[in-house]
Amino acid sequence: GNSVTQMEGPVTLSEEAFLTINCTYTATGYPSLFWYVQYPGEGLQLLLKATKADDKGSNKGFEATYRKETTSFHLEKGSVQVSDSAVYFCALSGDLIDGSNYKLTFGKGTLLTVNP
Amino acid sequence: SQTIHQWPATLVQPVGSPLSLECTVEGTSNPNLYWYRQAAGRGLQLLFYSVGIGQISSEVPQNLSASRPQDRQFILSSKKLLLSDSGFYLCAWSSYSNQPQHFGDGTRLSIL
Repeated sequence: GNSVTQMEGPVTLSEEAFLTINCTYTATGYPSLFWYVQYPGEGLQLLLKATKADDKGSNKGFEATYRKETTSFHLEKGSVQVSDSAVYFCALSGDLIDGSNYKLTFGKGTLLTVNP
Repeated sequence: SQTIHQWPATLVQPVGSPLSLECTVEGTSNPNLYWYRQAAGRGLQLLFYSVGIGQISSEVPQNLSASRPQDRQFILSSKKLLLSDSGFYLCAWSSYSNQPQHFGDGTRLSIL
């Protein structure tokens, strides 16, 4: 079946530091990949997505590139802010080929804390 | 634009009591609908999903059930809550398969 592995953290950074959260996946065919962010007490918000190999998703200074050769979708940001403190989830939506296209498979989430 | 509403935001229930959580989506038709539970460890567990009225797929056997009486309404129910049902319940929708899911604000359920 499909699976997503991401670094669990927690990750603690100072403001303006560089952020990387690693995410690798296992899936049949050609999944779509997503990063979601969850602020305390709230639901998940879609941060960015990529639907095919070599696509780069970007939003709010965050970016991630769909690397099929390494089955990875690492999240990066050049300069984090205190307001970026949240839990980040990597997720994939499976390929039509195995019928898993209706479901999202999530990683366990990475807690990011940014200190001023 | 599309919006998703979940209620209530918080709920405290005694063990053995019934449960009904409601989710509605506006601004789209025939969405895929989902119920997730998020336990204290932050991971998300897919409970049910629906691709149409009356069509429910269950992912995890448990004492919960789901129903979709209308196109944009998704209800999570239980006849008798257990302590282990405590958690943060999230509803989500997507326009069609392989597309991003969009989440509601969640319901925090505490069982006493």
